[in-house]
Amino acid sequence: QVHLVESGGGLVKPGGSLRLSCAASGFTFSDYYMSWIRQAPGKGLEWVSYISGSGSNMYYADSVKGRFTISRDNAKNSLYLQINSLRAEDTAVYYCAVEMTTTDYWGQGTLVTVSS
Amino acid sequence: DIVMTQSPDSLAVSLGERATINCKSSQSVLYSSNNKNYLAWYQQKPGQPPKLLIYWASTRESGVPDRFSGSGSGTDFTLTISSLQAEDVAVYYCQQYYSTRTFGPGTKVGIK
Repeated sequence: QVHLVESGGGLVKPGGSLRLSCAASGFTFSDYYMSWIRQAPGKGLEWVSYISGSGSNMYYADSVKGRFTISRDNAKNSLYLQINSLRAEDTAVYYCAVEMTTTDYWGQGTLVTVSS
Repeated sequence: DIVMTQSPDSLAVSLGERATINCKSSQSVLYSSNNKNYLAWYQQKPGQPPKLLIYWASTRESGVPDRFSGSGSGTDFTLTISSLQAEDVAVYYCQQYYSTRTFGPGTKVGIK
């Protein structure tokens, strides 16, 4: 079955960088767009970015453009999110997700905390 | 970007009663070439990732109880829980996927 596992979160100082990873299994990874969505503590969902199956097309929310970079390695069935110039408002649980024709799957998320 | 709004922010409904959540998009999410509304509804319970309930505005995801229904077109949409059960206590989000993705702010549903 489809399984998504995020990793790489942690406590980071403002201005720092972090690389999140998402390991995927149970489906043909290269066939699907993959997304990152985040949720600040006690707040709603915010779509962050997605990337096409080939990795050639990437899209970002305006709030993260220029600081976040999404990428994927189809040979490793892995999705990544490079986050630079971290701010307090980037504190959130970051989920990876895959959309299929009639359903989608989400990981359990990884927590990023930005604090001095 | 398409902005999504939801109303109310929260509601409390007696068990077995109807719950209605409204969602509005800042522009139409109806794609004319296939006459489909690019609108989904998600349910999120504490400590869990969101779960897809409805897509194409009114199509229930496999396994979702039929007390959940979606309606609407263009810019105005509704999620209805026809007979609220205790396990339906959650936050509900609408999401447009017409142009990238945007979520509504969420509606918290509780028991009266």
